[in-house]
Amino acid sequence: EDKVVQSPLSLVVHEGDTVTLNCSYEVTNFRSLLWYKQEKKAPTFLFMLTSSGIEKKSGRLSSILDKKELFSILNITATQTGDSAIYLCAVGKNSGGSNYKLTFGKGTLLTVNP
Amino acid sequence: GAVVSQHPSRVICKSGTSVKIECRSLDFQATTMFWYRQFPKQSLMLMATSNEGSKATYEQGVEKDKFLINHASLTLSTLTVTSAHPEDSSFYICSARATSGGEGTQYFGPGTRLTVL
Repeated sequence: EDKVVQSPLSLVVHEGDTVTLNCSYEVTNFRSLLWYKQEKKAPTFLFMLTSSGIEKKSGRLSSILDKKELFSILNITATQTGDSAIYLCAVGKNSGGSNYKLTFGKGTLLTVNP
Repeated sequence: GAVVSQHPSRVICKSGTSVKIECRSLDFQATTMFWYRQFPKQSLMLMATSNEGSKATYEQGVEKDKFLINHASLTLSTLTVTSAHPEDSSFYICSARATSGGEGTQYFGPGTRLTVL
């Protein structure tokens, strides 16, 4: 059975802190790993990772994938209160033909206090 | 940017009634749409994959006769929860993948909160 495990499940930090969120997975027919930010409603796309060791960066956020050890991390530097959200990790896999599907982890609830 | 809408955003119904949820891609065409369910403090669980013009593919454990999915056009998919019961109360989220895109072009709707009394 496919598994995507995120840790920690929740995290409380102060503005300016740096955080690292973890995602490990066991998935057959792996294609990609994606990170999403979910505030009140729809998850919004952050990164998609397909290759090991190549860091993706967007502003204060960055992420990297290790396909040998089957995990990814999402880093957020100089956190702001607006970073407070649930961060979801999802793994995309082939699901027959040209189809793929995403398996999500439970998410990490990040709270950034002023 | 790509926008996916869902309607209604919130619905409360009596046990035994059917509820229809619409998912629309507003500014792009989506050959494939996905329906997820999210319980409090739980992950998004894929219910079914919906391809335009063909039958939906349901995940194991999801009753296709209870959760009817129709993907009639490249911009619209509907999920009908038939004979809803209180245990069907959940947050239902759809996502749409752009016809020309890969995994990174899967955009999520704002979700529908279903409460069955």
